[in-house]
Amino acid sequence: AQKVTQAQTEISVVEKEDVTLDCVYETRDTTYYLFWYKQPPSGELVFLIRRNSFDEQNEISGRYSWNFQKSTSSFNFTITASQVVDSAVYFCALSERQTGANNLFFGTGTRLTVIP
Amino acid sequence: ETGVTQTPRHLVMGMTNKKSLKCEQHLGHNAMYWYKQSAKKPLELMFVYNFKEQTENNSVPSRFSPECPNSSHLFLHLHTLQPEDSALYLCASSQEGMAGGRMRNEQFFGPGTRLTVL
Repeated sequence: AQKVTQAQTEISVVEKEDVTLDCVYETRDTTYYLFWYKQPPSGELVFLIRRNSFDEQNEISGRYSWNFQKSTSSFNFTITASQVVDSAVYFCALSERQTGANNLFFGTGTRLTVIP
Repeated sequence: ETGVTQTPRHLVMGMTNKKSLKCEQHLGHNAMYWYKQSAKKPLELMFVYNFKEQTENNSVPSRFSPECPNSSHLFLHLHTLQPEDSALYLCASSQEGMAGGRMRNEQFFGPGTRLTVL
């Protein structure tokens, strides 16, 4: 069963627009971890954030913010005032304590293109 | 060198060749991973090594053979591959367990090896 769903395959925005990338997850475990990674054209996945299932506080880091909602099993990622350098594929991932906290299940990714 | 490095960055091989991919992490982590990334498919976890011991093998064909001689190095030996094995192979590392009272299980990735099998 798909554990992480990123329904948006591709998104294009004009520079300085805000954009939200959706992530919906599925798990029966009560302890789990959610991640976002960025994959620029160079190929390397860059770690952005990790959230624990027992910490629903939203987080802001510069132009990036994350909205974790257990009620809807979602962990959405918003980029404010997008820039061309934000163009990349973004992956949401889940790991569960029961199946191994280090075993990440990745979504299929959302390709974001920021148009200058 | 910092972070996670992988060599070679690009590899073209025939189906009868034998080659190896190398990964090295400079982060002091104790877990290392191989992933396969194919077009239009989610990243697939192939192998996990914790403290140099293999703990996961996600039904990977035997033509892929991992080796972890120490906690900093990970190899993926390839032989008699098929064209459908062409993909980006990513290595990652993480710190298994708790650190500073918190679970630190985020993985750090290398740049990958782009493999083409002819």
